Amino acid sequence: NAGVTQTPKFQVLKTGQSMTLQCAQDMNHEYMSWYRQDPGMGLRLIHYSVGAGITDQGEVPNGYNVSRSTTEDFPLRLLSAAPSQTSVYFCASSGYLDTGELFFGEGSRLTVL
Amino acid sequence: GQQLNQSPQSMFIQEGEDVSMNCTSSSIFNTWLWYKQDPGEGPVLLIALYKAGELTSNGRLTAQFGITRKDSFLNISASIPSDVGIYFCAGYQAGTALIFGKGTTLSVSS
Repeated sequence: NAGVTQTPKFQVLKTGQSMTLQCAQDMNHEYMSWYRQDPGMGLRLIHYSVGAGITDQGEVPNGYNVSRSTTEDFPLRLLSAAPSQTSVYFCASSGYLDTGELFFGEGSRLTVL
Repeated sequence: GQQLNQSPQSMFIQEGEDVSMNCTSSSIFNTWLWYKQDPGEGPVLLIALYKAGELTSNGRLTAQFGITRKDSFLNISASIPSDVGIYFCAGYQAGTALIFGKGTTLSVSS
């Protein structure tokens, strides 16, 4: 019953460092997405993918890169971390593109100093 | 971009009380969804609504899809301590991304 697995759960970075947040799902879902959650801002979409080899930008894509080489994995890359990227990041997947029903991971808390 | 206005922002209630929250939009959606986020966890889907006017229940939770397709509400009856968390509404239109409200934080005192 793994569902959507995110690693790491916690990370502290210095400004300018790079890192990758990993996301894997074992439900054979075509749709995967990344959100960030900030106090009072709700969940904002960063990038999403409707299938292997296909990615697109969401509401707040600047400073983040994604790729989708397999159905299972959807990593989120920060090339040069900034304090404004301090947030909780959630990966979510869905097997039904027409419903909006998402399965979320447990989140990755990132602090950029 | 599209925005959902979710209210209230927070609620402090006594155990046993009923709770009501709502979400409005200037845009029409084909699907309204309600998610709950427990502290330290990712959101979990509570209820999905697919037809204007639809009223759906899930245990003590009841949600409705507004007739105009621009709003939805969620009611929780006889609240209990485990109802604590953040409740998010979300609107979905096929071919676009899911849009979330900013959440309603619910606190329940026993």
